[in-house]
Amino acid sequence: DVKVTQSSRYLVKRTGEKVFLECVQDMDHENMFWYRQDPGLGLRLIYFSYDVKMKEKGDIPEGYSVSREKKERFSLILESASTNQTSMYLCASRGTHPNTGELFFGEGSRLTVL
Amino acid sequence: KNEVEQSPQNLTAQEGEFITINCSYSVGISALHWLQQHPGGGIVSLFMLSSGKKKHGRLIATINIQEKHSSLHITASHPRDSAVYICAVKVGQFYFGTGTSLTVIP
Repeated sequence: DVKVTQSSRYLVKRTGEKVFLECVQDMDHENMFWYRQDPGLGLRLIYFSYDVKMKEKGDIPEGYSVSREKKERFSLILESASTNQTSMYLCASRGTHPNTGELFFGEGSRLTVL
Repeated sequence: KNEVEQSPQNLTAQEGEFITINCSYSVGISALHWLQQHPGGGIVSLFMLSSGKKKHGRLIATINIQEKHSSLHITASHPRDSAVYICAVKVGQFYFGTGTSLTVIP
């Protein structure tokens, strides 16, 4: 079975803490994505990467950074967590075919910032 | 930015009923993705289509490119179909609807 694994299902952090969310995929996919999901807003793209050491801003990159040192691993970093970053974070990966490359998602990481 | 509208937002059905969830979008797309999200968060891909119709078990997805509309149908619904169904359109990146929450009652 293809798999996208996120390191933590639930996290509770304090305002100002640095937070790392890690994502690993075993499908040799080039493209990886970080989304956040909030009630009534759907999934919104934070950052994506189409190759090792490459990264592109999505629609809501402010307050976040990412790292992709290896093809299978894509990390989301909150340098100084704030309460408005309380959310569900979802990692996804996709192959390169433009029309048939389905998104494969991890189980999600629910972050609460106090 | 592409707008993706799903209807209905919430749906309750009796077991065995035929269910339709709709997705409309406002610009040209290269593909459309139907996804299922169970309580707890994990999202699973159901279909990806760019034209016509696809079927998998009791699920059927159709798309009309000219009318910018797609439907997801569930035949003989079952309580295990209870989930949030999300439509996403590919315009370069994917843009997502806010989901349809389906509850199937035994």
